[in-house]
Amino acid sequence: QSVLTQPPSVSAAPGQKVTISCSGSSSNIGNNYVSWYQQLPGTAPKLLIYENNKRPSGIPDRFSGSKSGTSATLGITGLQTGDEADYYCGTWDRSLSAGVFGGGTKLTVL
Amino acid sequence: QLQLQESGPGLVKPSETLSLTCTVSGGSISSSSYYWGWIRQPPGKGLEWIGNIYYSGSTYYNPSLKSRVTISVDTSKNQFSLNLSSVTAADTAVYYCARSSIAVTEQFDYWGQGTLVTVSS
Repeated sequence: QSVLTQPPSVSAAPGQKVTISCSGSSSNIGNNYVSWYQQLPGTAPKLLIYENNKRPSGIPDRFSGSKSGTSATLGITGLQTGDEADYYCGTWDRSLSAGVFGGGTKLTVL
Repeated sequence: QLQLQESGPGLVKPSETLSLTCTVSGGSISSSSYYWGWIRQPPGKGLEWIGNIYYSGSTYYNPSLKSRVTISVDTSKNQFSLNLSSVTAADTAVYYCARSSIAVTEQFDYWGQGTLVTVSS
Protein backbone atom coordinates (compact mmCIF):
# COMPACT_ATOMS: atom_id res chain seq x y z
CA GLN A 1 0.00 0.00 0.00
CA SER A 2 1.63 3.25 -1.16
CA VAL A 3 1.65 6.39 0.95
CA LEU A 4 0.61 8.36 -2.14
CA THR A 5 -2.60 7.27 -3.85
CA GLN A 6 -2.92 7.23 -7.62
CA PRO A 7 -5.66 5.71 -9.80
CA PRO A 8 -4.45 2.36 -11.20
CA SER A 9 -5.39 3.30 -14.73
CA VAL A 10 -6.71 6.08 -16.93
CA SER A 11 -7.52 6.15 -20.63
CA ALA A 12 -8.39 8.63 -23.33
CA ALA A 13 -8.41 8.94 -27.08
CA PRO A 14 -5.56 10.39 -29.16
CA GLY A 15 -5.60 14.17 -29.17
CA GLN A 16 -7.60 14.36 -25.96
CA LYS A 17 -6.56 15.49 -22.49
CA VAL A 18 -6.11 13.37 -19.39
CA THR A 19 -5.33 14.10 -15.77
CA ILE A 20 -3.72 11.81 -13.20
CA SER A 21 -4.20 12.52 -9.52
CA CYS A 22 -1.86 11.88 -6.62
CA SER A 23 -3.34 12.12 -3.15
CA GLY A 24 -1.32 12.34 0.04
CA SER A 25 -1.27 14.11 3.38
CA SER A 26 0.25 17.02 5.25
CA SER A 27 3.31 14.92 6.05
CA ASN A 28 4.17 14.51 2.38
CA ILE A 29 2.51 16.41 -0.50
CA GLY A 30 1.13 19.08 1.79
CA ASN A 31 4.60 20.31 2.77
CA ASN A 32 6.98 19.13 0.07
CA TYR A 33 7.61 19.37 -3.64
CA VAL A 34 6.02 16.80 -5.95
CA SER A 35 7.69 15.27 -8.97
CA TRP A 36 6.22 13.15 -11.75
CA TYR A 37 7.86 10.37 -13.75
CA GLN A 38 6.99 8.60 -16.99
CA GLN A 39 8.01 4.97 -17.35
CA LEU A 40 7.65 3.57 -20.84
CA PRO A 41 7.46 -0.25 -21.04
CA GLY A 42 10.78 -1.86 -20.24
CA THR A 43 12.60 1.39 -19.55
CA ALA A 44 13.75 3.45 -16.59
CA PRO A 45 11.56 6.22 -15.18
CA LYS A 46 12.02 9.65 -16.73
CA LEU A 47 11.49 12.92 -14.88
CA LEU A 48 8.53 14.80 -16.38
CA ILE A 49 7.72 17.40 -13.74
CA TYR A 50 9.77 18.66 -10.79
CA GLU A 51 9.04 21.07 -7.95
CA ASN A 52 5.29 20.64 -8.51
CA ASN A 53 5.00 22.30 -11.90
CA LYS A 54 8.36 22.75 -13.64
CA ARG A 55 9.37 20.86 -16.77
CA PRO A 56 12.95 19.70 -17.40
CA SER A 57 14.54 20.73 -20.66
CA GLY A 58 13.17 18.67 -23.52
CA ILE A 59 9.80 17.87 -21.94
CA PRO A 60 7.02 19.25 -24.15
CA ASP A 61 4.52 21.70 -22.71
CA ARG A 62 1.78 19.11 -23.30
CA PHE A 63 2.80 17.89 -19.84
CA SER A 64 1.88 20.03 -16.83
CA GLY A 65 1.82 19.66 -13.07
CA SER A 66 -0.09 21.33 -10.29
CA LYS A 67 -0.50 20.99 -6.54
CA SER A 68 -3.25 22.02 -4.19
CA GLY A 69 -3.16 21.20 -0.51
CA THR A 70 -2.39 17.52 -0.10
CA SER A 71 -3.00 16.52 -3.72
CA ALA A 72 -1.15 16.90 -6.97
CA THR A 73 -2.19 16.46 -10.58
CA LEU A 74 -0.38 15.62 -13.79
CA GLY A 75 -2.05 16.84 -16.96
CA ILE A 76 -1.32 15.63 -20.48
CA THR A 77 -2.87 17.32 -23.49
CA GLY A 78 -2.83 16.31 -27.16
CA LEU A 79 -2.45 12.65 -26.24
CA GLN A 80 -0.29 10.51 -28.49
CA THR A 81 0.07 6.75 -28.65
CA GLY A 82 3.67 7.24 -27.54
CA ASP A 83 2.37 8.58 -24.21
CA GLU A 84 1.19 5.10 -23.21
CA ALA A 85 3.21 4.43 -20.08
CA ASP A 86 3.11 4.16 -16.32
CA TYR A 87 3.18 7.47 -14.47
CA TYR A 88 4.42 7.91 -10.90
CA CYS A 89 4.27 10.81 -8.47
CA GLY A 90 6.93 11.22 -5.82
CA THR A 91 7.73 13.40 -2.83
CA TRP A 92 9.30 13.37 0.65
CA ASP A 93 7.38 12.15 3.67
CA ARG A 94 8.34 13.87 6.93
CA SER A 95 6.73 11.28 9.16
CA LEU A 96 8.47 8.38 7.46
CA SER A 97 11.69 10.35 6.84
CA ALA A 98 11.77 8.77 3.42
CA GLY A 99 11.26 9.50 -0.23
CA VAL A 100 7.92 8.04 -1.31
CA PHE A 101 6.22 7.26 -4.61
CA GLY A 102 2.66 6.66 -5.65
CA GLY A 103 1.61 3.22 -6.79
CA GLY A 104 1.64 4.29 -10.42
CA THR A 105 -1.04 4.93 -13.05
CA LYS A 106 -1.16 3.11 -16.36
CA LEU A 107 -2.18 5.43 -19.20
CA THR A 108 -3.85 3.85 -22.20
CA VAL A 109 -4.34 5.92 -25.33
CA LEU A 110 -7.27 4.27 -27.06
CA GLN B 1 25.35 14.06 -21.43
CA LEU B 2 25.30 12.50 -17.98
CA GLN B 3 24.99 8.73 -17.95
CA LEU B 4 24.60 6.26 -15.10
CA GLN B 5 25.18 2.53 -15.43
CA GLU B 6 24.42 -0.13 -12.84
CA SER B 7 26.50 -3.27 -12.62
CA GLY B 8 26.61 -6.34 -10.43
CA PRO B 9 25.38 -9.92 -10.08
CA GLY B 10 21.94 -10.69 -11.46
CA LEU B 11 21.41 -13.59 -9.07
CA VAL B 12 21.93 -13.58 -5.30
CA LYS B 13 21.21 -16.37 -2.85
CA PRO B 14 18.84 -15.86 0.09
CA SER B 15 20.55 -14.55 3.27
CA GLU B 16 23.52 -13.25 1.25
CA THR B 17 24.45 -9.65 0.43
CA LEU B 18 23.36 -7.92 -2.76
CA SER B 19 26.10 -5.63 -4.11
CA LEU B 20 25.68 -3.20 -6.98
CA THR B 21 27.80 -0.39 -8.37
CA CYS B 22 26.71 2.66 -10.32
CA THR B 23 29.27 4.24 -12.65
CA VAL B 24 28.71 7.87 -13.54
CA SER B 25 30.02 9.26 -16.83
CA GLY B 26 29.69 12.63 -18.49
CA GLY B 27 29.84 14.43 -15.16
CA SER B 28 31.54 14.38 -11.78
CA ILE B 29 30.10 12.56 -8.81
CA SER B 30 31.99 15.10 -6.68
CA SER B 31 29.73 17.95 -7.71
CA SER B 32 28.46 19.85 -4.68
CA SER B 33 25.04 20.27 -6.33
CA TYR B 34 23.82 16.69 -6.32
CA TYR B 35 23.03 13.62 -4.30
CA TRP B 36 23.16 10.12 -5.76
CA GLY B 37 20.53 7.54 -5.00
CA TRP B 38 19.23 4.03 -5.36
CA ILE B 39 15.62 3.14 -6.15
CA ARG B 40 14.17 -0.30 -6.77
CA GLN B 41 11.11 -1.73 -8.49
CA PRO B 42 9.87 -5.29 -7.87
CA PRO B 43 8.55 -6.97 -11.03
CA GLY B 44 5.17 -5.55 -11.94
CA LYS B 45 5.14 -3.20 -8.94
CA GLY B 46 5.90 0.40 -8.07
CA LEU B 47 9.02 2.32 -7.13
CA GLU B 48 10.70 2.23 -3.72
CA TRP B 49 13.38 4.69 -2.62
CA ILE B 50 16.33 2.97 -0.93
CA GLY B 51 18.68 5.78 -0.02
CA ASN B 52 20.97 8.63 -1.11
CA ILE B 53 24.61 9.58 -0.72
CA TYR B 54 26.54 12.83 -1.10
CA TYR B 55 30.06 12.87 -2.53
CA SER B 56 31.39 13.55 0.97
CA GLY B 57 29.97 10.20 2.09
CA SER B 58 26.97 11.59 3.94
CA THR B 59 24.06 9.16 3.61
CA TYR B 60 20.43 8.77 4.48
CA TYR B 61 18.34 5.68 4.05
CA ASN B 62 14.75 4.53 3.88
CA PRO B 63 13.98 3.56 7.50
CA SER B 64 12.26 0.39 6.28
CA LEU B 65 15.59 -0.85 4.87
CA LYS B 66 18.08 1.02 7.01
CA SER B 67 19.20 -1.94 9.10
CA ARG B 68 20.29 -3.82 5.96
CA VAL B 69 21.51 -1.04 3.62
CA THR B 70 24.90 0.55 3.11
CA ILE B 71 25.60 3.05 0.35
CA SER B 72 29.16 4.17 -0.28
CA VAL B 73 30.97 6.41 -2.76
CA ASP B 74 34.32 6.20 -4.54
CA THR B 75 35.04 9.61 -6.02
CA SER B 76 38.29 8.43 -7.62
CA LYS B 77 36.31 6.03 -9.78
CA ASN B 78 33.22 8.25 -10.14
CA GLN B 79 31.14 5.44 -8.68
CA PHE B 80 28.78 4.79 -5.83
CA SER B 81 27.64 1.45 -4.52
CA LEU B 82 24.78 -0.33 -2.79
CA ASN B 83 25.03 -3.22 -0.36
CA LEU B 84 21.85 -4.86 0.88
CA SER B 85 22.38 -7.64 3.40
CA SER B 86 20.32 -10.67 4.40
CA VAL B 87 18.31 -10.64 1.20
CA THR B 88 15.10 -12.60 0.68
CA ALA B 89 12.87 -13.19 -2.32
CA ALA B 90 11.12 -9.92 -1.46
CA ASP B 91 14.30 -8.08 -2.50
CA THR B 92 13.98 -9.32 -6.08
CA ALA B 93 13.65 -6.18 -8.16
CA VAL B 94 15.07 -3.95 -10.84
CA TYR B 95 17.55 -1.68 -9.09
CA TYR B 96 18.10 1.81 -10.46
CA CYS B 97 20.74 4.36 -9.62
CA ALA B 98 19.87 8.01 -10.13
CA ARG B 99 20.90 11.62 -9.49
CA SER B 100 19.00 14.09 -7.37
CA SER B 101 19.50 17.76 -6.61
CA ILE B 102 20.86 18.84 -3.26
CA ALA B 103 17.83 21.11 -2.86
CA VAL B 104 15.18 18.44 -3.43
CA THR B 105 16.87 15.15 -2.74
CA GLU B 106 13.88 12.93 -3.48
CA GLN B 107 13.60 14.25 -7.02
CA PHE B 108 15.65 12.27 -9.58
CA ASP B 109 16.55 13.80 -12.94
CA TYR B 110 18.93 11.23 -14.40
CA TRP B 111 18.47 7.47 -14.09
CA GLY B 112 20.47 4.42 -15.04
CA GLN B 113 18.83 1.79 -17.23
CA GLY B 114 18.34 -0.49 -14.24
CA THR B 115 19.54 -3.98 -13.45
CA LEU B 116 17.39 -6.93 -12.46
CA VAL B 117 18.51 -8.75 -9.33
CA THR B 118 16.83 -12.05 -8.54
CA VAL B 119 17.11 -13.57 -5.09
CA SER B 120 16.92 -17.34 -5.39
CA SER B 121 18.81 -20.42 -4.33
